[in-house]
Amino acid sequence: EPEVTQTPSHQVTQMGQEVILRCVPISNHLYFYWYRQILGQKVEFLVSFYNNEISEKSEIFDDQFSVERPDGSNFTLKIRSTKLEDSAMYFCASSAQGEGGYTFGSGTRLTVV
Amino acid sequence: GENVEQHPSTLSVQEGDSAVIKCTYSDSASNYFPWYKQELGKRPQLIIDIRSNVGEKKDQRIAVTLNKTAKHFSLHITETQPEDSAVYFCAASAHNNAGNMLTFGGGTRLMVKP
Repeated sequence: EPEVTQTPSHQVTQMGQEVILRCVPISNHLYFYWYRQILGQKVEFLVSFYNNEISEKSEIFDDQFSVERPDGSNFTLKIRSTKLEDSAMYFCASSAQGEGGYTFGSGTRLTVV
Repeated sequence: GENVEQHPSTLSVQEGDSAVIKCTYSDSASNYFPWYKQELGKRPQLIIDIRSNVGEKKDQRIAVTLNKTAKHFSLHITETQPEDSAVYFCAASAHNNAGNMLTFGGGTRLMVKP
């Protein structure tokens, strides 16, 4: 079964540093998403990406965040200057269509110290 | 925007009993309602979903019901087994051509006691 792959699985960074979280969506999927989950809390939408541009973003996705699809396979989330409250599990997801369910990656646990 | 409330936050049942988890949503434009199961430290996995043109859907031991008028939907698990123990999240979305943003409920920790 095709999978969404995320790297690294765990990243520890100092407050104020930039981090890039990487995702390889399922190859024939066209819609890409980032969600985050603070420990013990619900999954929260960050951003959706379609046709090489952001289609929707939440209030969480402020100027510190950016996404990019630098080539035909990778989809990245960059946090420019990390804060302690950015510590969370970040999930990438992709879907073939703009409706219906999608497949989540295994997540990157970001710890900001 | 959409707001999804989920109850209960924790649910403990004996193996073999049924479990019911309920969610309400606020946006009448929402038309897609998936349920995800998340085991500790793992990714959310889609277990069942329902669209707004259907009132009920069943897949073996799990079923979902939707009441559009009341804006609530429920997950029913029958004959629970210890491996059903996990956190379950409901979600809602009103898809558009640009994608399918999901709004999640707060989760229900289900514990199935052997």
